[in-house]
Amino acid sequence: AQSVTQPDIHITVSEGASLELRCNYSYGATPYLFWYVQSPGQGLQLLLKYFSGDTLVQGIKGFEAEFKRSQSSFNLRKPSVHWSDAAEYFCAVARNRDDKIIFGKGTRLHILP
Amino acid sequence: EPEVTQTPSHQVTQMGQEVILRCVPISNHLYFYWYRQILGQKVEFLVSFYNNEISEKSEIFDDQFSVERPDGSNFTLKIRSTKLEDSAMYFCASSEKWGKGKTEAFFGQGTRLTVV
Repeated sequence: AQSVTQPDIHITVSEGASLELRCNYSYGATPYLFWYVQSPGQGLQLLLKYFSGDTLVQGIKGFEAEFKRSQSSFNLRKPSVHWSDAAEYFCAVARNRDDKIIFGKGTRLHILP
Repeated sequence: EPEVTQTPSHQVTQMGQEVILRCVPISNHLYFYWYRQILGQKVEFLVSFYNNEISEKSEIFDDQFSVERPDGSNFTLKIRSTKLEDSAMYFCASSEKWGKGKTEAFFGQGTRLTVV
């Protein structure tokens, strides 16, 4: 069965600094990969997704992620974080377009002023 | 922008009571889901629903749970006899059919269920 690992439970960065959130997946074939963000008291918002094609995908709010098959990774990056980026970030995987989404445990991002 | 709407945002219920969580998916979507997130834990899949029937369910989704699409707009999750461990945030999601598959799921804001 597919699974998702987010090794960092909490990450703290200063406002304006760059960010990378790690995600590793376990699945034999090329999965469908997602990053969702959950702000406090809010629902889950899709930041970006990878289905096929270019391995560097651009998302909303200035985020991007890179699919690396050799490392089974789909890390999320942002060159300069803003205080409003403080939230919980979930990496997720699906076996195919019709399959359910499996979420990682999430990484909570804290921003220092 | 269309969105998935869930009501209520927060519900408190006594142990053993029945509770119904309501969701209005995006209007042209055909696939519907319920997920839950116990406080401090990851988001877990409960059930998917397509063409008026359950297409997949997890081991969490036991006989205490049921889903229904009573009309053309609502999608509900019923818990027949709530337990303390049912306390969680419940997310509804929907997706549309596109080509041979479906697009990504759009999630609602969630209903926080507290069982006391």
